[in-house]
Amino acid sequence: IAGITQAPTSQILAAGRRMTLRCTQDMRHNAMYWYRQDLGLGLRLIHYSNTAGTTGKGEVPDGYSVSRANTDDFPLTLASAVPSQTSVYFCASSERQSEADTQYFGPGTRLTVL
Amino acid sequence: GQNIDQPTEMTATEGAIVQINCTYQTSGFNGLFWYQQHAGEAPTFLSYNVLDGLEEKGRFSSFLSRSKGYSYLLLKELQMKDSASYLCAVSDSNYQLIWGAGTKLIIKP
Repeated sequence: IAGITQAPTSQILAAGRRMTLRCTQDMRHNAMYWYRQDLGLGLRLIHYSNTAGTTGKGEVPDGYSVSRANTDDFPLTLASAVPSQTSVYFCASSERQSEADTQYFGPGTRLTVL
Repeated sequence: GQNIDQPTEMTATEGAIVQINCTYQTSGFNGLFWYQQHAGEAPTFLSYNVLDGLEEKGRFSSFLSRSKGYSYLLLKELQMKDSASYLCAVSDSNYQLIWGAGTKLIIKP
């Protein structure tokens, strides 16, 4: 593995179902992020983690939860999916959450909720 | 509130120069990033500015004026592969990135 991987690449999900999007990085970065990207809108932060064991809420956290049990993995869970959660989801990481640290992005998961 | 403004779409000719503007109003400022995103792909880092002035990196340059809340990305000697969306993002007082909606750049031969 080199960088950040996400799984699945795409998914069609029935409303009301539970879904976990996976994210793994091998850069030993401390900070990780989950964004959603919708047409005509900028990337919006869902949740973030500054270091293993800690998480925080971003701009649009409702309906989503995350955990950070170790440095490498940062899964995003939709407890009960709704159609408004149809989006492209990107996981990102940076060495730290600080001003000069570049965020590196995974390839994304395209999620459709019907 | 926090706001990042960029033009939605721009068109330019192969070999020419194009300037993509970004204006921002954020709670705090800890630097401004430009990312490139090809259709269906992840954003990739292009540049970072935290001090006023011009940063040049090959065919790409980025300018920042903190007093005006303004930045631009300058692309020279345009190539067809430069067709992509260009995203402006500001690191706010909590070091979280606030993103613009992106500028779709179309390059014509």
